[in-house]
Amino acid sequence: QSALTQPRSVSGSPGQSVTISCTGTNSDVGLYNYVSWYQQHPGKAPKLMIYDVNKRPSGVPARFSGSKSANTASLTISGLQTEDEADYYCCSYAGSYTYVFGTGTKVTVL
Amino acid sequence: EVQLVESGGGLVQPGRSLRLSCRASGFIFDDYVMHWIRQVPGKGLEWVSSINSITGSIGYVDSVKGRFTISRDNAKKSLYLQMNSLRAEDMALYYCGKGTGSSSAIDSWGQGTLVIVSA
Repeated sequence: QSALTQPRSVSGSPGQSVTISCTGTNSDVGLYNYVSWYQQHPGKAPKLMIYDVNKRPSGVPARFSGSKSANTASLTISGLQTEDEADYYCCSYAGSYTYVFGTGTKVTVL
Repeated sequence: EVQLVESGGGLVQPGRSLRLSCRASGFIFDDYVMHWIRQVPGKGLEWVSSINSITGSIGYVDSVKGRFTISRDNAKKSLYLQMNSLRAEDMALYYCGKGTGSSSAIDSWGQGTLVIVSA
């Protein structure tokens, strides 16, 4: 049950694209298509942005997209906007009714 | 509108117990997996436990196994976390989360209840 590995921070200018990686193992990310991504603004509860690797809940802008290759999942924000500045966490099902979150990534809009 | 309201947090001495509650509204509580997630202020999220009322399946993070017990009362639309033998490292903001129907994600979160473990 080790935390999934994410970069501590990524940054980009408005309108640019940024990608956040989430590296796990073949017991979690690599084994299940149950990767989700959460956005958290300071002092707020997390918000679901992507589920099942690449599905967007209703109301989440299309500029957020997800993908997965082997043991690494990715979240891409295309056309970065100032309101996207936040912390982002990935999460994967890890079997036996357990889950594991990523270490978290701070996205800064320059 | 889905609402999750946690309660029960507070200051507790190491080794003592605390019971967290989460009152749910705005959805058919019985039909969804429910989760507890915690976050040390300024740090990352950590999944703690989940419970599926349909299958009876329960899971825990290794660090709380044998000390924490998750339960739910569908009639009261409430989720609970009994925390025993509390340690300093259990100090965190505890969120209640609602699972999605067909996926494993958490699509609604409460505002959290703060647990402080200190002598």
